[in-house]
Amino acid sequence: NAGVTQTPKFQVLKTGQSMTLQCAQDMNHEYMSWYRQDPGMGLRLIHYSVGAGITDQGEVPNGYNVSRSTTEDFPLRLLSAAPSQTSVYFCASNRGTGGPQHFGDGTRLSIL
Amino acid sequence: SQQGEEDPQALSIQEGENATMNCSYKTSINNLQWYRQNSGRGLVHLILIRSNEREKHSGRLRVTLDTSKKSSSLLITASRAADTASYFCATDRALVVNSKLTFGKGITLSVRP
Repeated sequence: NAGVTQTPKFQVLKTGQSMTLQCAQDMNHEYMSWYRQDPGMGLRLIHYSVGAGITDQGEVPNGYNVSRSTTEDFPLRLLSAAPSQTSVYFCASNRGTGGPQHFGDGTRLSIL
Repeated sequence: SQQGEEDPQALSIQEGENATMNCSYKTSINNLQWYRQNSGRGLVHLILIRSNEREKHSGRLRVTLDTSKKSSSLLITASRAADTASYFCATDRALVVNSKLTFGKGITLSVRP
């Protein structure tokens, strides 16, 4: 079991570029979430999904899109990168609502 | 807004000592969870305590929950240098459809050899 796999681990973008952060889990979990972690801010929820084809916004969704075409994959798209999106992004999955979450090791994103 | 607030923000102890970390929250919960994050890694789930439980143990970890005070504590006994990490509490709010976990800002624990 690989658990939750995030790619890439590091990325540098220029302002205005777009990119997709990949997240895959092999635990057949229904729930998947994207968070960003900034110094002094803890983890903030960007988007989440309760199953294939179902997504919803979290606390800080602006500038990000998600889709969930399969149970395993939950990619996060930055539409037009801005310096304020410089952060560490974590993907997580869990079996049911409120259950323990399994995290990937994150994508460290810098936007110049 | 943060549902869980950890206290203290940072804690430095000697190896072998006990470490106590606290978390307070604002609204009714289904459960409260504690996570650990080592530098440069993702969060790892440590323990989950449900709203009808008062204490739970896992190895050197002891978690208590006081729903009347809306607070929880995480005790790590006989700490080791490998316990150096950030610790987060997260709450699953009650009476919310498809409730999402809300994380606190974390506590930085340093265990000196």
